[in-house]
Amino acid sequence: AQSVTQLDSQVPVFEEAPVELRCNYSSSVSVYLFWYVQYPNQGLQLLLKYLSGSTLVKGINGFEAEFNKSQTSFHLRKPSVHISDTAEYFCAVRGGFKTIFGAGTRLFVKA
Amino acid sequence: NAGVTQTPKFQVLKTGQSMTLQCAQDMNHNSMYWYRQDPGMGLRLIYYSASEGTTDKGEVPNGYNVSRLNKREFSLRLESAAPSQTSVYFCASSAATYRTSGSTDTQYFGPGTRLTVL
Repeated sequence: AQSVTQLDSQVPVFEEAPVELRCNYSSSVSVYLFWYVQYPNQGLQLLLKYLSGSTLVKGINGFEAEFNKSQTSFHLRKPSVHISDTAEYFCAVRGGFKTIFGAGTRLFVKA
Repeated sequence: NAGVTQTPKFQVLKTGQSMTLQCAQDMNHNSMYWYRQDPGMGLRLIYYSASEGTTDKGEVPNGYNVSRLNKREFSLRLESAAPSQTSVYFCASSAATYRTSGSTDTQYFGPGTRLTVL
């Protein structure tokens, strides 16, 4: 069985500060990991995904994530956030056609 | 190129009423999905269709039916709505087929339908 735990439900941060959104997963099969972003009243957009190879994955809007197999983590980071990054972020693990999403982390960027 | 479109955007139903949520994609994708999003629970898969004419249950299929009308369209039907089905419903599509198993491809999401059942 697969599961995803997002360790923070809300993360407030000041503009231009760094941010890390934490995600732990469990999976008994090959691991394919995703981060999605959801802006208010919109659907989800893919930020980045890890399939294999380099454990540091770069995505859109300056975000990156690191796959850590020993700690079963896939934390999302950005070195300097903008007001426009305010959104909800979802970590997900994929097996076949079924995606298991975490509960989401709301990122609030304050001026 | 509209991507994934959903209708309606909002809907209010009374308990016991029925309705169909419509979804269409113009990306020539093989697979389509229906999710529901509830506060604090992320998205949960209701049903998916890996090809025209096939459908499979996801994590929370009870109380729902689906139809893959053609390659473009995938509808979700609530036969007898219940307050527990109050949620935001998202349709998604991807290029995956049964042969490619779907694990690695990108899903594209529609804007959602906000459904309230009184």
